[in-house]
Amino acid sequence: NAGVTQTPKFRILKIGQSMTLQCTQDMNHNYMYWYRQDPGMGLKLIYYSVGAGITDKGEVPNGYNVSRSTTEDFPLRLELAAPSQTSVYFCASSYSSPGNTIYFGEGSWLTVV
Amino acid sequence: RKEVEQDPGPFNVPEGATVAFNCTYSNSASQSFFWYRQDCRKEPKLLMSVYSSGNEDGRFTAQLNRASQYISLLIRDSKLSDSATYLCVVISSGSARQLTFGSGTQLTVLP
Repeated sequence: NAGVTQTPKFRILKIGQSMTLQCTQDMNHNYMYWYRQDPGMGLKLIYYSVGAGITDKGEVPNGYNVSRSTTEDFPLRLELAAPSQTSVYFCASSYSSPGNTIYFGEGSWLTVV
Repeated sequence: RKEVEQDPGPFNVPEGATVAFNCTYSNSASQSFFWYRQDCRKEPKLLMSVYSSGNEDGRFTAQLNRASQYISLLIRDSKLSDSATYLCVVISSGSARQLTFGSGTQLTVLP
């Protein structure tokens, strides 16, 4: 059972570079999320989507973009990477409302130098 | 005041001990509550939901106190494998934006 798969697992970026974190889920969940987790902090919502073609900002969207062209995929784009974006990024999905169990990917460790 | 607050710990307890964590929330309109477990350098995973009447799952008991706006997690007969960070999650409405994670309480069970 694949669940939520995100790539890459580790990446080092230089300041100003751009990259895309890939996320795909095979559970036919309509809700998908991107969170970042800084050391000793809770998860902060970057963007979320309630279905294909629909995305919305979370708590910390600046410096990021997302798209949701299919139910399965929810890539996160970092434009002009900054050291403040050094973090662990988790993609997640849930069936219907967020009151249901949220399933997380294994995380992507990103360092911006 | 943070929306969701947890004692970061660490809580270091011997095997077999009983340990309890609290999580306070600021929004009195909060509707749903959960405990997630996160192992070191791993993704969070649902441990249990928290129901108004309290609920139990094996050695784990979750309680909700709406009047004082906190939820609790009690772990009995602690095992080494219980060592992890425990995150409380509070949902204020049906919107994904209103789902808030606490920063977590770190538990280490010692042999």
